Amino acid sequence: SQKIEQNSEALNIQEGKTATLTCNYTNYSPAYLQWYRQDPGRGPVFLLLIRENEKEKRKERLKVTFDTTLKQSLFHITASQPADSATYLCALNTGGFKTIFGAGTRLFVKA
Amino acid sequence: EAEVAQSPRYKITEKSQAVAFWCDPISGHATLYWYRQILGQGPELLVQFQDESVVDDSQLPKDRFSAERLKGVDSTLKIQPAELGDSAMYLCASSLKGGSSYNEQFFGPGTRLTVL
Repeated sequence: SQKIEQNSEALNIQEGKTATLTCNYTNYSPAYLQWYRQDPGRGPVFLLLIRENEKEKRKERLKVTFDTTLKQSLFHITASQPADSATYLCALNTGGFKTIFGAGTRLFVKA
Repeated sequence: EAEVAQSPRYKITEKSQAVAFWCDPISGHATLYWYRQILGQGPELLVQFQDESVVDDSQLPKDRFSAERLKGVDSTLKIQPAELGDSAMYLCASSLKGGSSYNEQFFGPGTRLTVL
């Protein structure tokens, strides 16, 4: 079955630096991959989607890359702010109906 | 801005009791999802509806869980009887379409269930 691995350890960075989060997957390649933000006690919020034929996607301070050879996606937040502190979830869809979520990586941005 | 509504936000129950959760998706969204999220883990899909039809319920414990979306709009998820291991956040999400249509999912605030 498809597995998604995200860094289980929290990522601590200083304000203004670039945060980079990793999402690795096994088995067959997803049709597309999504990144969500989740704050404590709340539902996830969609951030970005990247398709299997795309290498990179940008939205304001966010950037996602997708390497189907490495079976990996990287999620970058540039000029990070304390308000960016949250859990970031990677989710993939294999082209069928099902979306599979990773466990998420907790990001802490210190002022 | 349109949002997915869920109720109740919190539910405390004793094991062997029945519980029910309600979800009202964003108007016009054909696809509705119920997820269970245990603390420290990602959401796990329980059931997915396309309009009023179930398209995936492979991870739904059907001996105790049931879900319906009778008119293809709002949905109810029921657990009977509840067990201690059911304590989790139950999330509802909706999207315009599902599957390979590249649609983002919009999540509700969730229902936090505690089984004592």
